[in-house]
Amino acid sequence: DAGVIQSPRHEVTEMGQEVTLRCKPISGHNSLFWYRQTMMRGLELLIYFNNNVPIDDSGMPEDRFSAKMPNASFSTLKIQPSEPRDSAVYFCASSLVASGINTQYFGPGTRLTVL
Amino acid sequence: AQSVTQLGSHVSVSEGALVLLRCNYSSSVPPYLFWYVQYPNQGLQLLLKYTSAATLVKGINGFEAEFKKSETSFHLTKPSAHMSDAAEYFCAAQNEGGSEKLVFGKGTKLTVNP
Repeated sequence: DAGVIQSPRHEVTEMGQEVTLRCKPISGHNSLFWYRQTMMRGLELLIYFNNNVPIDDSGMPEDRFSAKMPNASFSTLKIQPSEPRDSAVYFCASSLVASGINTQYFGPGTRLTVL
Repeated sequence: AQSVTQLGSHVSVSEGALVLLRCNYSSSVPPYLFWYVQYPNQGLQLLLKYTSAATLVKGINGFEAEFKKSETSFHLTKPSAHMSDAAEYFCAAQNEGGSEKLVFGKGTKLTVNP
């Protein structure tokens, strides 16, 4: 299995630009999670989907952030406009909840730098 | 709400020494519990998980963890540290019966000295 795939691995952009992060979950998994990791705040859950439907977006910092999951094999996280404080590593994780147990598998992350 | 506490943001051991990383959860109902490891510039990798089948759980790379309900703990151990164990370790909890969300601790950075 290829695991969770994220692209790009690194993104450097200027303040005000639109940024799109991409994620391909493990085939057969039905839940997908977007996290952000910073030194100051640690690992934060931004949003998660179940069967392509957003279930909980309470962690999305503000309206500049949006996420979509048009099908079971693809999700995007978009930041528009980007700000320097958005600089972080963004992780995507997927899972197949079996017997109520949610074992999440993480992608390698996208390191975002906003100048 | 469920919370996970990892005592010690940094732990340093000598190569060959015992590794002990501490994790406590807050809920009165024992949750499902996980340990993940993150190597530099990589994603989180599952080490092991507790799902109520057995209180002593063995994972990859020689790690194991023991669930103790009376202490609301799920500490991670390894008898003999290797240089390659240097990484950051995260404990996480999922409550039964509903939410798919995992609550993560703040992480413990393990340094292994030669």
